[in-house]
Amino acid sequence: DSGVTQTPKHLITATGQRVTLRCSPRSGDLSVYWYQQSLDQGLQFLIHYYNGEERAKGNILERFSAQQFPDLHSELNLSSLELGDSALYFCASSVEGRPNEQFFGPGTRLTVL
Amino acid sequence: GENVEQHPSTLSVQEGDSAVIKCTYSDSASNYFPWYKQELGKRPQLIIDIRSNVGEKKDQRIAVTLNKTAKHFSLHITETQPEDSAVYFCAATPSSGGSYIPTFGRGTSLIVHP
Repeated sequence: DSGVTQTPKHLITATGQRVTLRCSPRSGDLSVYWYQQSLDQGLQFLIHYYNGEERAKGNILERFSAQQFPDLHSELNLSSLELGDSALYFCASSVEGRPNEQFFGPGTRLTVL
Repeated sequence: GENVEQHPSTLSVQEGDSAVIKCTYSDSASNYFPWYKQELGKRPQLIIDIRSNVGEKKDQRIAVTLNKTAKHFSLHITETQPEDSAVYFCAATPSSGGSYIPTFGRGTSLIVHP
């Protein structure tokens, strides 16, 4: 157990819908990173937040957005869902002072039907 | 941006054999190279890492080597066991603007036959 938590574990929804994925970093970690893992694209970085502020964006679609709240948990919002959005979504947090070392949560498996 | 190539995509070995997974990267600014192990349906777990000022690092049966000149790094697993079966990902991480974003390889599926 890495100490990073994610909910829900599984999510099944239909095309066109909107979902919210939630992540709580390890106690004391200020950074949250979001990743998408699919069979054809591998593990892709989406977005990074540090202490409530967006720090970096990767291959994140405009239909996707995220935020980090004052209590440091983060939410990833996915809207107008398409079949191709089906994937595992991981968040990770990193140790303060050692930002390279990221610890992943258990992931949310999203299935879009 | 950074590009990481990982080979092989699948590696099948007998228990007790050694396994080697190789990665190359393109961005000379990358200075941190973690390796992750991911079992089926589970999260990636950091198993070992190496920084650019070190050429080799070992942790029990696992070792990682780095050749900065050639821009390649490798994971070595000795005396493999069935529980080593998993997908292994390498990554290269540059530091820029305070954000340390790894670029991952496509993964190597390691199968250890008892």
